[in-house]
Amino acid sequence: EPEVTQTPSHQVTQMGQEVILRCVPISNHLYFYWYRQILGQKVEFLVSFYNNEISEKSEIFDDQFSVERPDGSNFTLKIRSTKLEDSAMYFCASRGEGANSPLHFGNGTRLTVT
Amino acid sequence: RKEVEQDPGPFNVPEGATVAFNCTYSNSASQSFFWYRQDCRKEPKLLMSVYSSGNEDGRFTAQLNRASQYISLLIRDSKLSDSATYLCVGRYNNNDMRFGAGTRLTVKP
Repeated sequence: EPEVTQTPSHQVTQMGQEVILRCVPISNHLYFYWYRQILGQKVEFLVSFYNNEISEKSEIFDDQFSVERPDGSNFTLKIRSTKLEDSAMYFCASRGEGANSPLHFGNGTRLTVT
Repeated sequence: RKEVEQDPGPFNVPEGATVAFNCTYSNSASQSFFWYRQDCRKEPKLLMSVYSSGNEDGRFTAQLNRASQYISLLIRDSKLSDSATYLCVGRYNNNDMRFGAGTRLTVKP
């Protein structure tokens, strides 16, 4: 069964540094998402991406965040200047066409900002 | 507002029990709903989609009540392996999918 893959599985960075989290969505999917989950808290929507542009973003997704689809397979989330409160699990997800197509998640990247 | 609300639990039930979770949504424009399961420190995994007419998959039954704006998940004959956090998801607009906070279930022997 096709999978969403994310790398790295764990990223440790210092406050103020830039990080790029990488995702390879399922190949025939067209909608891509980033979510984050702070330890012990809910899964929070960050951004969705379709047709090479952001289609929705939450209030969390401020100017520090950006997304990109640099080629036909990768989908990246960049955090420009990390803060301690950015420490969380970041999940990438993709889905196919159709109103009832569900999200398929990657294994996540655990980001630790020190 | 785009919110999906769940009772966080925890629900502690014995093996073999029937347990039900509800999830309410605040925006009547919500278009599609799903139940996901999340194990500790893992990614959410799709349990089932929720169809307007209700749907069943083995021991799991999902219902949607648009008039009262809630969805439900019923688990029959619960197993130890059902212990997890159950997340409801609502899709708003075309591309905004929001999660509830999750309901934690522990099934005990």
